[in-house]
Amino acid sequence: EVQLVESGGGLVQPGKSLRLSCAASGFNFDDYAIHWVRQAPGKGLDWVSGISWKGGDIGYADSVKGRFTISRDDAKYSVHLQMNSLRGEDTALYYCAKARGYSYRLDSAIHHWGQGTLVIVSS
Amino acid sequence: QSALTQPASVSGSPGQSITISCTGTSSDIGRFHLVSWHQQHPGKAPKLLIYEVSKRPSGISNRFSGSKSDNTASLTISGLQAEDEADYYCCSYADSGTLIFGGGTKLTV
Repeated sequence: EVQLVESGGGLVQPGKSLRLSCAASGFNFDDYAIHWVRQAPGKGLDWVSGISWKGGDIGYADSVKGRFTISRDDAKYSVHLQMNSLRGEDTALYYCAKARGYSYRLDSAIHHWGQGTLVIVSS
Repeated sequence: QSALTQPASVSGSPGQSITISCTGTSSDIGRFHLVSWHQQHPGKAPKLLIYEVSKRPSGISNRFSGSKSDNTASLTISGLQAEDEADYYCCSYADSGTLIFGGGTKLTV
């Protein structure tokens, strides 16, 4: 059974940093792209970033480009999202999601979702 | 990176069929066969219903079907059931190298 468990969320002040992690199990992690998708309270889904297998191809939403960095550790079956210069509009539930295949572009469809970790940016 | 356009809400009676539209542009839905649909019940994580426009993952009822014409994708739910009441989101890959979601549609049964 595919499992994605996010951690690292919490309350953080504007301008500060936070690092989210996603621990994966139940599938051959090396072979799949992973996405981060967020959902602000009461709002819709918003794609944040994607990373293809081996980390060879990475993409970001314009709203986070230059502030967030996605990375993966295939040996530890984990993906991380380093979030810097956080803003109030980054407040959301952050989901880790497994793509259909190896590329976050060509195999981009999200097939499995984690339960999310909540990030609140407030002073 | 404008969001895909979905109706805010749709409704139907048990047993009926409904269709949710998702309109994009020639840079996303119109260009790629990479549209997916996700169902989200209140307080729960989303769940994949349809990928690559019309494919169903294993375990998803054949009451759910997807299609695409030009820049618009559609999700049809037939034989509506009470448990279908949820929010539905479309998603497409775009030539900007990003994924774009629709604003979501609340289905009331």
